[in-house]
Amino acid sequence: LAKTTQPISMDSYEGQEVNITCSHNNIATNDYITWYQQFPSQGPRFIIQGYKTKVTNEVASLFIPADRKSSTLSLPRVSLSDTAVYYCLVGEDTNAGKSTFGDGTTLTVKP
Amino acid sequence: DSGVTQTPKHLITATGQRVTLRCSPRSGDLSVYWYQQSLDQGLQFLIQYYNGEERAKGNILERFSAQQFPDLHSELNLSSLELGDSALYFCASSVTGTGYSPLHFGNGTRLTVT
Repeated sequence: LAKTTQPISMDSYEGQEVNITCSHNNIATNDYITWYQQFPSQGPRFIIQGYKTKVTNEVASLFIPADRKSSTLSLPRVSLSDTAVYYCLVGEDTNAGKSTFGDGTTLTVKP
Repeated sequence: DSGVTQTPKHLITATGQRVTLRCSPRSGDLSVYWYQQSLDQGLQFLIQYYNGEERAKGNILERFSAQQFPDLHSELNLSSLELGDSALYFCASSVTGTGYSPLHFGNGTRLTVT
């Protein structure tokens, strides 16, 4: 199982770009990397997923280096509403349920 | 709205009792997952089903059981409840149940055991 390590917390200010890095040193060849956002008392929400290189959607970008041992979620121009816990999940190819959510990164955006 | 429906939203019961939590997955999703989230434990994977069959089991207690029905909805049964079972219980669904199929979570059932 690919264990993930993220910073416990990060602070930022409105309008700044935020980069959250996740380490997953024992990622397997077929594993995908997925990031989720969770607000208090709500279920996690899918943000973005990638396998290698760079992926971009309307809310975020995901950078994955060639060795895939880490990934970086980039949130452009954050706002107060981006204050949440962010999880990276390395998904097992056959048994996604065995993928473990780490402790996540609590992002606090200040005015 | 993720499309995953969980009922009830809140449940308050006494120790020793039994409760059933229900989950309806997104339309088209064949796999259902159950997670427990308490303040000191984070998101803990309990069990996964795919098209009615158990696919993976996590840290699920013997007092807990689950199943996925032919219409793909799932139920999580918690029995002989203890105070420590108080938590948010999330259901998630995905299309294929594999690592490249993102999870879509419901908003959870908050269980309080008194």
